[in-house]
Amino acid sequence: GDSVTQTEGPVTLSEGTSLTVNCSYETKQYPTLFWYVQYPGEGPQLLFKVPKANEKGSNRGFEATYNKEATSFHLQKASVQESDSAVYYCALTSSSGSWQLIFGSGTQLTVMP
Amino acid sequence: EAAVTQSPRNKVTVTGGNVTLSCRQTNSHNYMYWYRQDTGHGLRLIHYSYGAGNLQIGDVPDGYKATRTTQEDFFLLLELASPSQTSLYFCASSATGMDEQYFGPGTRLTVL
Repeated sequence: GDSVTQTEGPVTLSEGTSLTVNCSYETKQYPTLFWYVQYPGEGPQLLFKVPKANEKGSNRGFEATYNKEATSFHLQKASVQESDSAVYYCALTSSSGSWQLIFGSGTQLTVMP
Repeated sequence: EAAVTQSPRNKVTVTGGNVTLSCRQTNSHNYMYWYRQDTGHGLRLIHYSYGAGNLQIGDVPDGYKATRTTQEDFFLLLELASPSQTSLYFCASSATGMDEQYFGPGTRLTVL
């Protein structure tokens, strides 16, 4: 079945350093890929999505490229801020016809000032 | 922007108790979902629905019932609550099963 594997947390960085959260997936078809962010005390919210292979999504300085050959969708940011502290989820559309998103286990990021 | 609300925001009950969690979305979305979120497990899908009267089983349905009474309203029912159901519950909605989901603020449930 479909699955998503992402960087295990927690990840702690200093402000101004770069971030990479790895996301790899397994699926039988060509999914839409998503990154969600969940701030403390809130529900997850969409960071961005990419429906097509070899395209890049971006928002708030974060970006990820849909790499179909490597089945990866790594999240990157060049310079993190304290306000980026959150849990990040990679997700994909299911190929089984079950009409749901498949989420990774989440990566907790803490950015120190 | 889609609006998803949940009530109550916090709930404490005892083992064996009867609990109903409510979710309403006001964006005319067809799909609605119930998840639980626990440390170390991320988001796990309990039930979902693609319209009023429809119910689909998710990945962790045991001990939970759900009912979709209207396009806007989706309820999660715990008829004999157990401590293992202590968790943070999120409702979400989407236009189709292949679109982004919009999440509510969550309900924290504690079963003593």
